[in-house]
Amino acid sequence: SYVLTQPPSVSVAPGQTAKIPCGGINLGTRTVHWYQQRSGLAPVLVVSDDSDRPSGIPARFFGSNSDNTATLTISGVEDGDEADYYCQVWDATSDRVIFGGGTKLTVL
Amino acid sequence: EVQLLQSGAAVRKPGEFLKISCKDSGYSFNIYWFAWVRQRPGKGLEWMGSIYPDDSDVKYSPSFQGHVTISVDKSVSTAYLQWNNLAASDTAIYYCARRGRDWWYFDLWGRGTPVTVSS
Repeated sequence: SYVLTQPPSVSVAPGQTAKIPCGGINLGTRTVHWYQQRSGLAPVLVVSDDSDRPSGIPARFFGSNSDNTATLTISGVEDGDEADYYCQVWDATSDRVIFGGGTKLTVL
Repeated sequence: EVQLLQSGAAVRKPGEFLKISCKDSGYSFNIYWFAWVRQRPGKGLEWMGSIYPDDSDVKYSPSFQGHVTISVDKSVSTAYLQWNNLAASDTAIYYCARRGRDWWYFDLWGRGTPVTVSS
C-alpha cells in the first residue's frame, strides 16, 4: 500500500521558518492534507488540498506539493506552533486514508 | 458551532465488548463521511475506517477489518465504533472525524475517547 514518510523531528528557533517534508512516490500527483496536533489535544486541519488554509489558520502556514515531496512551511514560528504534524492522502487504488508517521516540531 | 461529541473514557478487560459513540451536533449528518482514527500512546494517527450515514456504506482499513465494526444511527446523528473481543493492544485514544464535503480530508474532529484494556 502507499506509504508517506516524514522525519521524526524538526527543530527551529522562534521567529524562524520551519519546513516539514512528507515524501511519497509521485506524491505530486496526489492531494495532500496537513494536521497539527498539540500535546493532549485532537488533531486540527491546517492545510487541505496541498495548499488551502481552512478558516482561522494563520497565513504563516503554507503547503506545497511537487514531484515526490509535499512540504508544510511555517514562517515566523511561535512557541504555540510546537506540536506534532501529520500529512495525509487518500489512496484511491486501495480505497483508504493514509497518514504519515508524524513530525514533532520543537521550538527551541 | 458544529461539534462531534464523543463518549467518555472506557476501561475494560481483555475479551470484553465495547461500543463508543460520536454524535454530530449539526443538521447534516447524513451527507458527510465520518471516520474513526486510532492513536496509541506515544504513536501516530491510524485510519480505521469511514462510514457514510445516508446509505451506511463503510470502508475499512485492512489493518482493522474483522476486529471492529463501524455503524451509525441516523435518528440520533451518531456514529459508533464497536469491539466484540477487546485486546490489550486496543488501548488507545479513538478520535472520530468528519470528512470535508468535497474530498478526503478531515475538517472536524471530536476530542477523542480514551480506551484502556487491562486485566
